[in-house]
Amino acid sequence: AQKITQTQPGMFVQEKEAVTLDCTYDTSDQSYGLFWYKQPSSGEMIFLIYQGSYDEQNATEGRYSLNFQKARKSANLVISASQLGDSAMYFCVFSGYSTLTFGKGTMLLVSP
Amino acid sequence: EAQVTQNPRYLITVTGKKLTVTCSQNMNHEYMSWYRQDPGLGLRQIYYSMNVEVTDKGDVPEGYKVSRKEKRNFPLILESPSPNQTSLYFCASSPPPRGGNQPQHFGDGTRLSIL
Repeated sequence: AQKITQTQPGMFVQEKEAVTLDCTYDTSDQSYGLFWYKQPSSGEMIFLIYQGSYDEQNATEGRYSLNFQKARKSANLVISASQLGDSAMYFCVFSGYSTLTFGKGTMLLVSP
Repeated sequence: EAQVTQNPRYLITVTGKKLTVTCSQNMNHEYMSWYRQDPGLGLRQIYYSMNVEVTDKGDVPEGYKVSRKEKRNFPLILESPSPNQTSLYFCASSPPPRGGNQPQHFGDGTRLSIL
């Protein structure tokens, strides 16, 4: 079974600063994907960014970027210029052939 | 509008009373799955389905059943609910993962309380 580890239960950051949320994974699969989702207090799951195991370049989507280090099996989410609306739970997700495995999440709080 | 619809959104019931949470998607997705979310544990996959009439256990299938008779519907059945099944449940759909780049489309969640 795949394993996803998010070591930071909670993170604090000031508005406009950058923040990195950590994610490591363990797999013997060659082909896989890594996703990050945001869950605000309202509860819905919002897709942020995706990285494929064969992608050579790190994924970017607006203020979100994924620092993918395949050899270290890490897929950290970087949020640049944090905003108050970024306060939420963030989940790293491993996508294998047929199953998805979620990390336990990191709660990010952005202060003014 | 592309969406995954779960019903009910909230349910309080009693131990042992069979219940079904419905899930329907309008995107013609092959892959559908159910998750439960508990504090400190993230989301854990209960069951998934790669296509019609094909279902498989996820990480926490005990106490749950599913069926996939039609492509669009994937109901979650609790035959004899118990208090440890009190949780927030999400249904999701996508094209088949296969390690691919298709994000999951999530329903809005169903909050179940089993007394």
